Amino acid sequence: DAKTTQPTSMDCAEGRAANLPCNHSTISGNEYVYWYRQIHSQGPQYIIHGLKNNETNEMASLIITEDRKSSTLILPHATLRDTAVYYCIVRLATGNQFYFGTGTSLTVIP
Amino acid sequence: GAVVSQHPSWVICKSGTSVKIECRSLDFQATTMFWYRQFPKQSLMLMATSNEGSKATYEQGVEKDKFLINHASLTLSTLTVTSAHPEDSSFYICSARTGRGNEAFFGQGTRLTVV
Repeated sequence: DAKTTQPTSMDCAEGRAANLPCNHSTISGNEYVYWYRQIHSQGPQYIIHGLKNNETNEMASLIITEDRKSSTLILPHATLRDTAVYYCIVRLATGNQFYFGTGTSLTVIP
Repeated sequence: GAVVSQHPSWVICKSGTSVKIECRSLDFQATTMFWYRQFPKQSLMLMATSNEGSKATYEQGVEKDKFLINHASLTLSTLTVTSAHPEDSSFYICSARTGRGNEAFFGQGTRLTVV
């Protein structure tokens, strides 16, 4: 029961920043935004999550709009190994399950 | 991040036989584990939530008698596909919550082919 909308696919030049948008207009006040990615034929990999403040870790940055209805995952310097399907998931902090939408297929081009 | 391991990575079985897939949390205890199925070019579909020491909770449309889940310890959950048929061929993925950061970590997946 995905509550997010993402573009089906995107391309990004190697070395440039990849900005992946996610729309979650029905998000409630206590729901977090999580990002995972799945490289072909592997299990999903956790990237980052946030509630309302922008977050940054060694993999990426997460920018959440003030109204929390959308967010952007930023990979600052995309490499070929970042080619994957990126999933944006909205979920309660106390919730159990992660429900996956269709995600964005990111292709990093040399 | 926490490590979740699945075994086997791939398996081929004959139609009508049963296949067991193991999911282990290697460096943490997982009170809750999740099982997903993924068909080619599709997203992950949650099949069931597995709680240690109790019965699994299945998503709507998933046959509990066909997909048997056992979560007997805090580090191991198993999925058994009973009487497998070619349409059960899929990529099966497990995940587990650490209980700390509340994010879930995923296994590497098991490719099941039923012939």
